[in-house]
Amino acid sequence: GAVVSQHPSWVICKSGTSVKIECRSLDFQATTMFWYRQFPKQSLMLMATSNEGSKATYEQGVEKDKFLINHASLTLSTLTVTSAHPEDSSFYICSANQGTSNSYNSPLHFGNGTRLTVT
Amino acid sequence: GQNIDQPTEMTATEGAIVQINCTYQTSGFNGLFWYQQHAGEAPTFLSYNVLDGLEEKGRFSSFLSRSKGYSYLLLKELQMKDSASYLCAAMDSNYQLIWGAGTKLIIKP
Repeated sequence: GAVVSQHPSWVICKSGTSVKIECRSLDFQATTMFWYRQFPKQSLMLMATSNEGSKATYEQGVEKDKFLINHASLTLSTLTVTSAHPEDSSFYICSANQGTSNSYNSPLHFGNGTRLTVT
Repeated sequence: GQNIDQPTEMTATEGAIVQINCTYQTSGFNGLFWYQQHAGEAPTFLSYNVLDGLEEKGRFSSFLSRSKGYSYLLLKELQMKDSASYLCAAMDSNYQLIWGAGTKLIIKP
């Protein structure tokens, strides 16, 4: 089945530094990838939609200058958290859209997530 | 506006059956999804309904009524490993997934 690889799985960084998270679709081309953030005991919150070859579409309230998204190829999207602060500590998950759905196939394939801790 | 409602938490007994309900309001509709999420892990796909009726997949079944904006996930023969959060998500006319807050299911022996 389709696999999405997300790296790193966890990262600890100091306040003020930047962190890059990679999301790769391993056996399919993904023209669209999604970046989510999830705080403890809360649901997934869509941050932005990443489109290959064009600028990402950010959800309301998400700072595009702080969360830089690059989707340079059909298999790779990156999220860079710039000048990270402790309040950015969260679980970040990417997903890639493979196409149409049916009962046995999700249109979205998720990475395993990245747990970011900013000290 | 767009909205998904599902219970925050449910408790059930090992071996029993539990039904998790979800109501949705979206701008257009392109399907209803259920995902399972264990703590600290990414969601895993369970089911997809786009037509009315019941879809059965082993111990899990999902039902959809588009006229009522309603779905449920039915879990049979509950096992301890089924303890997780269950996320309901509806896809709108722009093919965006609108996520519910999730239902935390607690299984007791």
